[in-house]
Amino acid sequence: DQQVKQNSPSLSVQEGRISILNCDYTNSMFDYFLWYKKYPAEGPTFLISISSIKDKNEDGRFTVFLNKSAKHLSLHIVPSQPGDSAVYFCAASVGSGYSTLTFGKGTMLLVSP
Amino acid sequence: SAVISQKPSRDICQRGTSLTIQCQVDSQVTMMFWYRQQPGQSLTLIATANQGSEATYESGFVIDKFPISRPNLTFSTLTVSNMSPEDSSIYLCSVRAGSSGNTIYFGEGSWLTVV
Repeated sequence: DQQVKQNSPSLSVQEGRISILNCDYTNSMFDYFLWYKKYPAEGPTFLISISSIKDKNEDGRFTVFLNKSAKHLSLHIVPSQPGDSAVYFCAASVGSGYSTLTFGKGTMLLVSP
Repeated sequence: SAVISQKPSRDICQRGTSLTIQCQVDSQVTMMFWYRQQPGQSLTLIATANQGSEATYESGFVIDKFPISRPNLTFSTLTVSNMSPEDSSIYLCSVRAGSSGNTIYFGEGSWLTVV
C-alpha cells in the first residue's frame, strides 16, 4: 500500500516554462512534506519542505503548494532550466521532528533547451 | 546541512557474499538512517541507527540480514549479508540536520549489483 504516490513517472518541459510535479498521499497523519532532487549516481538533495500549517512555501524558483483537503501537493519550478533535469521525489512524515520519511517513486523531469 | 560520505560508491558482488557500507558524517548527529532504493522503486527505510544502542529496523528488514554498527556520533556501517540478486540496489545513508534540525540529508549512495 503506497502512502505517497507520484503518478507521473516522467515529465518533459521546455526551458523557461513552468514544471509542475504532483504528489498525492493517503495517510492523514502526515503533516510535513519534503521534495528531493536526485541526479544519476548521486544521493537525493533536499529542495524544499512545507508544514501542514501552511499551504504554500517558496524558495527562489521553487514553490510547493499543499492542499490538505485533497491530500495533494505540487512542486512548481519557474522558470525551468536544463540543469533541473533529474528525478524528483516527494516525501512525507508525521511531524517535522519525526525522522522517518515515506517516499514516492519519483518523477523524472526532463527540461529541454 | 551535513556532508555525508559513503564507501564504496559502487560494487559488484558475488551471490552469497557480504558487503559492508561505510557512512561518515562531518558533524556529530544523534540519529543516522539507512535507506534502500531498488530499481524503479521509492526509497525505503531499512533502519535507524542510534549511537550506543541497537538499531531499530523497519518492517521487512532484520538484523541478521542487515547488521548495523554505530560506534560513534559521526560514523555508521551497514552490512548486506548473504547477498542475492534481489539485494541489488542503491543503499543510502542519511542524517537529520539543518538549522531547525528537521531536514533529512543523504549521502551519495552505494550502488550494489549482485551477480
